Amino acid sequence: GAVVSQHPSRVICKSGTSVKIECRSLDFQATTMFWYRQFPKQSLMLMATSNEGSKATYEQGVEKDKFLINHASLTLSTLTVTSAHPEDSSFYICSASGRVGNQPQHFGDGTRLSIL
Amino acid sequence: DAKTTQPPSMDCAEGRAANLPCNHSTISGNEYVYWYRQIHSQGPQYIIHGLKNNETNEMASLIITEDRKSSTLILPHATLRDTAVYYCIVQGSSNTGKLIFGQGTTLQVKP
Repeated sequence: GAVVSQHPSRVICKSGTSVKIECRSLDFQATTMFWYRQFPKQSLMLMATSNEGSKATYEQGVEKDKFLINHASLTLSTLTVTSAHPEDSSFYICSASGRVGNQPQHFGDGTRLSIL
Repeated sequence: DAKTTQPPSMDCAEGRAANLPCNHSTISGNEYVYWYRQIHSQGPQYIIHGLKNNETNEMASLIITEDRKSSTLILPHATLRDTAVYYCIVQGSSNTGKLIFGQGTTLQVKP
């Protein structure tokens, strides 16, 4: 089946650091990718929709200047957490879909971000 | 997109069928029912989806009621590795494709 690769799987860094997370679709072209955040014992919360070649669409309450998304190709989207602080520590997960409609999304294995 | 309601938790004996219910009484005609699961500390895994007909694949079966207001995911022979949070999500084919996750059902498969 379709594979989505997310890297790195775990990051530990100091407060104030910017962290970049990559999401790649390995065997299909992803016109749309999604970024989620998940806090402990909670469900996934959609942060933004990333469309290849255009600006990302952010969900209400998500700061676009804090969470920079770039989707420069049909196989790669990146999420950069700028000037990360301890409250940004979370599990970040991406997903990709070849097209809208009934095509299921496929998820990466997530990135656990810990800000000290 | 229509909202879904699932029981927060369920137990199942290993080797038995696990039947996970989902209510989606406000589903509209062009909305599909998707099931994903999330094993601890991993990304969600796609299981199955359907519109109105029952569906079966190598992982599970999906039974959708005739009025489409509810569905059941069936894992025919649950194993310990099926212990996970199962999410039922309704999504229209005309929207942006984004999935809105509820709290899901935590399935505990016991030996």
